[in-house]
Amino acid sequence: DGGITQSPKYLFRKEGQNVTLSCEQNLNHDAMYWYRQDPGQGLRLIYYSQIVNDFQKGDIAEGYSVSREKKESFPLTVTSAQKNPTAFYLCASKNRNTIYFGEGSWLTVV
Amino acid sequence: SQQGEEDPQALSIQEGENATMNCSYKTSINNLQWYRQNSGRGLVHLILIRSNEREKHSGRLRVTLDTSKKSSSLLITASRAADTASYFCATDEGGYNKLIFGAGTRLAVHP
Repeated sequence: DGGITQSPKYLFRKEGQNVTLSCEQNLNHDAMYWYRQDPGQGLRLIYYSQIVNDFQKGDIAEGYSVSREKKESFPLTVTSAQKNPTAFYLCASKNRNTIYFGEGSWLTVV
Repeated sequence: SQQGEEDPQALSIQEGENATMNCSYKTSINNLQWYRQNSGRGLVHLILIRSNEREKHSGRLRVTLDTSKKSSSLLITASRAADTASYFCATDEGGYNKLIFGAGTRLAVHP
């Protein structure tokens, strides 16, 4: 089935650790996105990529990094510089005007 | 950051009633979209309305857009318990590839 796969679904991070969230899509979409969602809140854009080997910062990029080496993959690294990383992370890709989301990854700092 | 705002933040109704939620945005847009999110899941696209459209229907959903007031509304008619979810509006006011989401309306439909 075509879609967006995020892994892992749940991830625990110790203080000072970097962690990477995976996002893979087989929809052949050029644009991909990472959003952060805090409990009961809306979505905030972390990074987006319009094409392979290119990406732009969103509204809350500090403490995060991304890469886009392949069209189908857009991993997000949450670095130790992100002081409050506990949140729900959503990856998405875009076809024309519509965004398609993965099922999300929960990240908790322990 | 630019972000739309929905109201109400939360809405609780009985099955069979209609649910109306509103969204406001700040700058000019080409289109506005509504998404649904079940708890702990990804968002699902519901409907898109272009800036030159005033109303659009999809099944039990009716969306209106008033560009002069920079606002949109989503009406769900004859609601069902399965409609319980959060509903978000999103606009392209950040640019073609930068969708901006509102904070969402949490809808609870009671049997």
